[in-house]
Amino acid sequence: ETGVTQTPRHLVMGMTNKKSLKCEQHLGHNAMYWYKQSAKKPLELMFVYSLEERVENNSVPSRFSPECPNSSHLFLHLHTLQPEDSALYLCASSQEQGAYGYTFGSGTRLTVV
Amino acid sequence: SQQGEEDPQALSIQEGENATMNCSYKTSINNLQWYRQNSGRGLVHLILIRSNEREKHSGRLRVTLDTSKKSSSLLITASRAADTASYFCATHGAGSYQLTFGKGTKLSVIP
Repeated sequence: ETGVTQTPRHLVMGMTNKKSLKCEQHLGHNAMYWYKQSAKKPLELMFVYSLEERVENNSVPSRFSPECPNSSHLFLHLHTLQPEDSALYLCASSQEQGAYGYTFGSGTRLTVV
Repeated sequence: SQQGEEDPQALSIQEGENATMNCSYKTSINNLQWYRQNSGRGLVHLILIRSNEREKHSGRLRVTLDTSKKSSSLLITASRAADTASYFCATHGAGSYQLTFGKGTKLSVIP
């Protein structure tokens, strides 16, 4: 356990479903992140939250909707996904804008059918 | 883009040998970090080197940074089968939350 817990570990969903990914950290970090890892592509930063405020907007389709209710929890709400959204979704947390490194969760393997 | 590019993409060595992976990037950085990922799992932070440092050690890991060439290397000495994983470099810019990753080097250590 790294201190960052992601659930579920695996998720299969249809294109019309709505689901949510959950991330929880108990490290006292003040920033949390969602990354997408697809085969043969670099990790892509999706969203960043610092002290529960979204910072550094990246171009992410609106079918992905993040939520950060407090500094320990981060959600990624999914709806009307496409098969190309199938990937490993990684949550991470950090202190001091990541100047000391990120701590990652084990990821959620998402398959869209 | 500050994206790191690792080289080689894949590396296969015998147990006990040393493994060297290289990383190049494009713009100025605050620090450079190396991560390890076992298949289908999350990334594990290995080592961080700041822009004003040239070399850093941690156990069997040695990292160098050459900011004039915008490059870094990760050396794993006396490799073990358990070192088999993908290794990523990531660059961090001053004042930014973003950590930008390369595509990684897939290391296979053969027993």
